[in-house]
Amino acid sequence: GEDVEQSLFLSVREGDSSVINCTYTDSSSTYLYWYKQEPGAGLQLLTYIFSNMDMKQDQRLTVLLNKKDKHLSLRIADTQTGDSAIYFCAESPRGSTLGRLYFGRGTQLTVWP
Amino acid sequence: DSGVTQTPKHLITATGQRVTLRCSPRSGDLSVYWYQQSLDQGLQFLIQYYNGEERAKGNILERFSAQQFPDLHSELNLSSLELGDSALYFCASSPEGRGADTQYFGPGTRLTVL
Repeated sequence: GEDVEQSLFLSVREGDSSVINCTYTDSSSTYLYWYKQEPGAGLQLLTYIFSNMDMKQDQRLTVLLNKKDKHLSLRIADTQTGDSAIYFCAESPRGSTLGRLYFGRGTQLTVWP
Repeated sequence: DSGVTQTPKHLITATGQRVTLRCSPRSGDLSVYWYQQSLDQGLQFLIQYYNGEERAKGNILERFSAQQFPDLHSELNLSSLELGDSALYFCASSPEGRGADTQYFGPGTRLTVL
């Protein structure tokens, strides 16, 4: 569960949809998370998905999980300039280190007017 | 506001010194986690406590130590500081410290070692 990969940058126009992708390695992961970090701020939990689900929708956010390919995506509909931030994907694998999270390096989302 | 508090917000110190970072978990949460965020390493798990006991250890240096007190607040002690220890240190808490728990993060302590 130590290799969580994300693309580093994404730029979109205001009003468009953003899709941030993530791949993970631990097939036994229980929960997969998306966190948002604004400049100078901490990590804000956006949403999470349990590994027996394929999709979760929460207002403008849609999470898709492809367990076969170990691929997770976060779609933000109607992206706004306030959505500009770094988005982290994280997994929580089973095993002796229960509870710890493995994070990707983060995707810097830039939304331009 | 996640309900997790960390102090201080910023800390500037010199190489060789020792500092203590403090974290108060959300009300009712028994488990505390410490993470380090740096440009070259990203977000790395350091250590986890549950109800006063160490539960899991990650990439924590021997110069670093932590503890969780009976009131559940936690402290991360960093000693013999080096320039490379400059980073953002986050504390997170969760109810029971299990994989199914959601972790809520504090605002972080930015440590600068000069």
